[in-house]
Amino acid sequence: DAGITQSPRYKITETGRQVTLMCHQTWSHSYMFWYRQDLGHGLRLIYYSAAADITDKGEVPDGYVVSRSKTENFPLTLESATRSQTSVYFCASSHNRVSYSNQPQHFGDGTRLSIL
Amino acid sequence: AQSVAQPEDQVNVAEGNPLTVKCTYSVSGNPYLFWYVQYPNRGLQFLLKYITGDNLVKGSYGFEAEFNKSQTSFHLKKPSALVSDSALYFCAVSLNRDDKIIFGKGTRLHILP
Repeated sequence: DAGITQSPRYKITETGRQVTLMCHQTWSHSYMFWYRQDLGHGLRLIYYSAAADITDKGEVPDGYVVSRSKTENFPLTLESATRSQTSVYFCASSHNRVSYSNQPQHFGDGTRLSIL
Repeated sequence: AQSVAQPEDQVNVAEGNPLTVKCTYSVSGNPYLFWYVQYPNRGLQFLLKYITGDNLVKGSYGFEAEFNKSQTSFHLKKPSALVSDSALYFCAVSLNRDDKIIFGKGTRLHILP
């Protein structure tokens, strides 16, 4: 079925480790986004991508790296995980700029990441 | 810079009563406004949006929202609440030609049986 999937759904790791969160969408949407959700902060944008090989920083990019070699994939890497990066991470996609779309963003079900 | 505020962390409503979840925004220009809902252990789902035109926007699951330019508000409403409406609701704002949406911190809605 078409959709947006994130993997893994749950991850526990240790400080200093590298961890990569995967996001895959089957709609061929141009835009993809990574958010983190924390109590008291709502959703905050980490990085986004307007197309393959085009990425841009969001509100909280420090400590994260993204790439987009293929339209359908948008992995998020924590190069050296810290406890402050414990969060729930959501990937989203949209066909076009959010202001042009009837369905602005489609979200995955999230990855719950705990860093010990 | 654009921003959106949801002044209530939690709203409690009895089943069958009307509900309102408040949202105010601040942008330099004409806003695009959205409401999303999140159920436990799920991603956000789009409910409705306002771009231009009629100030009353109808969306999914019987929800509607009223755009008020003078008060810079975009409150979410439903005439008769259901227990199944209990969830976390996010208001969001964007600007024309913008690539991204700015989300509020969310309001948890509890519908009491």
